[in-house]
Amino acid sequence: TQLLEQSPQFLSIQEGENLTVYCNSSSVFSSLQWYRQEPGEGPVLLVTVVTGGEVKKLKRLTFQFGDARKDSSLHITAAQPGDTGLYLCAGDKTGTASKLTFGTGTRLQVTL
Amino acid sequence: DAGVIQSPRHEVTEMGQEVTLRCKPISGHDYLFWYRQTMMRGLELLIYFNNNVPIDDSGMPEDRFSAKMPNASFSTLKIQPSEPRDSAVYFCASRGRGGYTFGSGTRLTVV
Repeated sequence: TQLLEQSPQFLSIQEGENLTVYCNSSSVFSSLQWYRQEPGEGPVLLVTVVTGGEVKKLKRLTFQFGDARKDSSLHITAAQPGDTGLYLCAGDKTGTASKLTFGTGTRLQVTL
Repeated sequence: DAGVIQSPRHEVTEMGQEVTLRCKPISGHDYLFWYRQTMMRGLELLIYFNNNVPIDDSGMPEDRFSAKMPNASFSTLKIQPSEPRDSAVYFCASRGRGGYTFGSGTRLTVV
């Protein structure tokens, strides 16, 4: 059973479009992280959200943690080809970030 | 900092052979994690260490898998004997105050 479901699984859009990726669970997490992974590389941490309702912005990326800390979203404004990659959410239930559960992943392709 | 260093980057081996994957974490990071990534199952935590001590190995699939961390700068993941279903990308990650840093992974193919 996958604790963290991401949607959509695949997304192919053109440069300049906006998109939202969702990360949902029936479990409560003390914090949630978002990663981007490029082919042949490991995941790279983008952000950590810890408070229910928290919103964090990283340039064109906006991350939100649900009020109940069971879900999160990633919104990208004006996508660029450099945004292409596998986006992974990861939840921490322990409160110590010592055991992350990774989501199913969203593969994004941004074309010119 | 050179980041988390894994070796080899690619490994092709025959079924039944022993495979050893290596990891050098970032200096000063007190947690080290081994993950496995496949298309079917995504990223799965196999085992993690805190200050070189194994804390949770509940993700290790079978007794064929073992991991050691003899010192703060080195860890190994061993599979003996290897099977085709072990084919995957294995990642090592270390964690410090800034969060997790993953290595580039070892792509293992067992034929």
